[in-house]
Amino acid sequence: GQQLNQSPQSMFIQEGEDVSMNCTSSSIFNTWLWYKQDPGEGPVLLIALYKAGELTSNGRLTAQFGITRKDSFLNISASIPSDVGIYFCGRGYSTLTFGKGTMLLVSP
Amino acid sequence: KAGVTQTPRYLIKTRGQQVTLSCSPISGHRSVSWYQQTPGQGLQFLFEYFSETQRNKGNFPGRFSGRQFSNSRSEMNVSTLELGDSALYLCASSLARQVPYNEQFFGPGTRLTVL
Repeated sequence: GQQLNQSPQSMFIQEGEDVSMNCTSSSIFNTWLWYKQDPGEGPVLLIALYKAGELTSNGRLTAQFGITRKDSFLNISASIPSDVGIYFCGRGYSTLTFGKGTMLLVSP
Repeated sequence: KAGVTQTPRYLIKTRGQQVTLSCSPISGHRSVSWYQQTPGQGLQFLFEYFSETQRNKGNFPGRFSGRQFSNSRSEMNVSTLELGDSALYLCASSLARQVPYNEQFFGPGTRLTVL
């Protein structure tokens, strides 16, 4: 079946640092989605990517769709305490496959 | 515009019972998908409904079922509950526009605990 490998599993950083996380896939697909989930809540869509090589920003967040169409990364610049949460990559159309998530902890 | 709503938010049941969870999608969204989230397995797709028809199904036993009503609201049912069914059940809705522009938006989830 389709597998998404997301890394790192967790990160503990200082406020103000930049963060990078990525997802790789065992097969090619045409959509990459990045979500953030706060404790006790549902995932919130951050960025959607539809073309190989596409680079999209949403405030301090930047995500790219890899040119091989098998990977994607998410960068967060100048992290702040409210960036704490679990970040998921996902791909698919009506049935999303997700990575296991990257837990981000930010120390003030 | 109101987001996806799910009821109830929390539920405690015992083994062998059945449970029904409800999801109201964003107004105008016609596709509703359900996911199970557990610490061990992560987010896993259960099924997707579009125009009252199940369009896709994940790899879950037949104890898990769902339906969608004409107003796009959806329910999922789990019969003969097992301890392993304890999870956060998430509903997501989308406009079901032309692929691939089909972002899904999640509700807050229903936390089910089976004792």
